[in-house]
Amino acid sequence: DIQLTQSPSFLSASVGDRVTITCRASQGISSFLAWYQQKPGKAPELLIYDASTLQSGVPSRFSGSGSGTEFTLTITGLQPEDFGTYYCQQLNTYRMYTFGQGTKVEIK
Amino acid sequence: QVQLVQSGAELKKPGASVKVSCKTSGYTFTDYAIHWVRQAPGQRPEWMGWINTGTGATKFSQRFQGRVSIARDKSASTAYLELSSLNSEDTAMFYCARALTYGSGKPFDYWGQGTLVTVSS
Repeated sequence: DIQLTQSPSFLSASVGDRVTITCRASQGISSFLAWYQQKPGKAPELLIYDASTLQSGVPSRFSGSGSGTEFTLTITGLQPEDFGTYYCQQLNTYRMYTFGQGTKVEIK
Repeated sequence: QVQLVQSGAELKKPGASVKVSCKTSGYTFTDYAIHWVRQAPGQRPEWMGWINTGTGATKFSQRFQGRVSIARDKSASTAYLELSSLNSEDTAMFYCARALTYGSGKPFDYWGQGTLVTVSS
């Protein structure tokens, strides 16, 4: 199975900061990676797919990059509503999808 | 608008089975697959399996193979997850989510609200 490792596991940042989360895959997955945001008690919400395509309705301060085994999610200008846990998900192995362990983002 | 509405919370004894429904609306049911995801408290989401809502074909994670089934009722635009031989690890939130049926790398763009399953004697 393809394993995804996110770093950091936790980060605390201030409003307006630039925040970067990394997701590393145990083998190459081309650009078949998505990012989700999950708030407590809610379902995950899709932010980015195909590694860098912004989902409709998602603020442009969110961006994604990478291919192969290393990917990043960047929030440029952190907002109070951006707290939550962020997960990457690989969509490469045919219909056998896995998630990273998550990065919890706290607003200082 | 697109909606996936799941059935309510369940309390089950170890060894029992549970069936969760996911009623969809706001789009053509057979254009999208339905996936099921388990998320234990404080843990990452875990993909369980999916159903091609047009053909009924299914595929499951090896982790759940043998005790999971997924079905759909096209006339009701509803998908179902059934999980048997429940144990304490299955105390979790279960989500359905949709993704385009065909093509590689299709993400889960809409999710149900989740169904809490508690396994306790």
